[in-house]
Amino acid sequence: GQQVMQIPQYQHVQEGEDFTTYCNSSTTLSNIQWYKQRPGGHPVFLIQLVKSGEVKKQKRLTFQFGEAKKNSSLHITATQTTDVGTYFCAGGSTLGRLYFGRGTQLTVWP
Amino acid sequence: NAGVMQNPRHLVRRRGQEARLRCSPMKGHSHVYWYRQLPEEGLKFMVYLQKENIIDESGMPKERFSAEFPKEGPSILRIQQVVRGDSAAYFCASSPPGLAGGSSREQYFGPGTRLTVT
Repeated sequence: GQQVMQIPQYQHVQEGEDFTTYCNSSTTLSNIQWYKQRPGGHPVFLIQLVKSGEVKKQKRLTFQFGEAKKNSSLHITATQTTDVGTYFCAGGSTLGRLYFGRGTQLTVWP
Repeated sequence: NAGVMQNPRHLVRRRGQEARLRCSPMKGHSHVYWYRQLPEEGLKFMVYLQKENIIDESGMPKERFSAEFPKEGPSILRIQQVVRGDSAAYFCASSPPGLAGGSSREQYFGPGTRLTVT
């Protein structure tokens, strides 16, 4: 079945450093979505990418969708303590269900 | 527009009891998903429902677990004869009807129900 792999599982950075998490799928995805879950909270939708090679930015966050629509990345420039949390990618399907990666847990040291 | 609501937020059950978790989707949303999350772990898909229909239950254990989304009222995730291994956070999410460009729409998550089995 469809699987979405995400690395790394954990990332510890000092405030001001950059951070990247990567997502890979075994099959071509219809779309890719990204979510953030703060400690003790629930996942919150960040963005959706649909087109091959698409790049979207939200302030310090840059999201990319690969040309083959099998991989994606989220890059945060100059991390802040408010960026702490777990970032999940999720691959979309034509059946409506999302396939979530395991997530990357980001810790930011002040 | 109220978000996705789940209740109870915390539920304690003894082994062998039943747990009923409720989810009211966002207004206008007709798709509901249930996920399970253990501490420090990812989201495990359980079931995808539309009104009165189970679309995909491939993530649901075959025994003791059931889900429904009736025509009226909230979606219910029911766990019979709970065991300690059922202790987890259970999240419900909803999404708008239809597909975006033929694919999944974004999902809006509720605050979760933290189930503890003693």
